[in-house]
Amino acid sequence: EAQVTQNPRYLITVTGKKLTVTCSQNMNHEYMSWYRQDPGLGLRQIYYSMNVEVTDKGDVPEGYKVSRKEKRNFPLILESPSPNQTSLYFCASSRPQGQTGNSPLHFGNGTRLTVT
Amino acid sequence: DQQVKQNSPSLSVQEGRISILNCDYTNSMFDYFLWYKKYPAEGPTFLISISSIKDKNEDGRFTVFLNKSAKHLSLHIVPSQPGDSAVYFCAAPGTSYDKVIFGPGTSLSVIP
Repeated sequence: EAQVTQNPRYLITVTGKKLTVTCSQNMNHEYMSWYRQDPGLGLRQIYYSMNVEVTDKGDVPEGYKVSRKEKRNFPLILESPSPNQTSLYFCASSRPQGQTGNSPLHFGNGTRLTVT
Repeated sequence: DQQVKQNSPSLSVQEGRISILNCDYTNSMFDYFLWYKKYPAEGPTFLISISSIKDKNEDGRFTVFLNKSAKHLSLHIVPSQPGDSAVYFCAAPGTSYDKVIFGPGTSLSVIP
């Protein structure tokens, strides 16, 4: 089954304790991206990757890191989490956005992070 | 500054009637638009899209209309079913095509 898998689904942590949210896709997609969803703000892009070893900042990258060492995996790293990073996080993948940006995104089921 | 706007946070419709969800955008360079549907505790799923060279795209009960001059698009669901109750996001690829910009979403409730 084609899917994007995120782990964990729920995470409660304390300020400053480094954490990693994993994301893996089995569709051989080149493009991967992380979003956070907050009430009234929709989905805001954190980081994206066009392919292996190619990553770039989205609209809200502060406080986050990513890496793309393999095509299927795109972990999100919070080296020193803060309460304002409490949010619902989604990983997504797609074929290349190409010249028209018309490749639909496939999303994971989300990770609800609480930082106290 | 939100480039993709959905000004109605919520919408309630009777089963069998039409649901109309609206989306406005600010950047006239956007040339492709997508709608995603999201159920609680799940990730968004792609629903329907439209290219700027068209003004309408239909897929079963779902139709998206695009008015480029008004920078407005709408999603029509006819007839609405209780299973359509979800949050609907309007999205557009950024002008560099490597970003995808989402609106804040509209929560649709279809009442049996």
